Amino acid sequence: EAGVTQFPSHSVIEKGQTVTLRCDPISGHDNLYWYRRVMGKEIKFLLHFVKESKQDESGMPNNRFLAERTGGTYSTLKVQPAELEDSGVYFCASSQTGSGNTIYFGEGSWLTVV
Amino acid sequence: RKEVEQDPGPFNVPEGATVAFNCTYSNSASQSFFWYRQDCRKEPKLLMSVYSSGNEDGRFTAQLNRASQYISLLIRDSKLSDSATYLCVVNWGSQGNLIFGKGTKLSVKP
Repeated sequence: EAGVTQFPSHSVIEKGQTVTLRCDPISGHDNLYWYRRVMGKEIKFLLHFVKESKQDESGMPNNRFLAERTGGTYSTLKVQPAELEDSGVYFCASSQTGSGNTIYFGEGSWLTVV
Repeated sequence: RKEVEQDPGPFNVPEGATVAFNCTYSNSASQSFFWYRQDCRKEPKLLMSVYSSGNEDGRFTAQLNRASQYISLLIRDSKLSDSATYLCVVNWGSQGNLIFGKGTKLSVKP
């Protein structure tokens, strides 16, 4: 069974440009999460989808970040315009419906803004 | 005060050693507790959940002290393959809103 897959694995963009990260959760997982780790910091929660609905977006840093999950399958996270401090690794994760289920992480999308 | 605090290490130990990691969390309303393992430039993977009564999985033992807001992980008979960063993780908010510590790096040497 395929795990959580993310694309691209690495991206280098200039300040002010736009980047869109994609996440395909494990098949059948209604819960999808985005996290990120910026340099020298801990991994931080960004938001949580249940199917196509945003359940919790309390961790989104500002309105330059837009997450979508149309159709309740894959999700995208767009950063527009990117700033230097957005550099880091963006993890997507998914889990089955119900509390107590293991959250599985993807390998992350490494973003460098120059 | 950080939400989840860990000693960053690194812990450098010989094979076969016993090593213990500690973690404290700030929110007494925390409900779920985990240890995740992260290899270099890889994703975090769940090592084990931590229960109030303490739990063991092979060479790994996790303990939780709610009164002290303290979590521990003990690794016995360390293997080279145990080398990784160990992340202390708690959850007190919505499902999936995991709060991570910065991690403790372990290096097991031959």
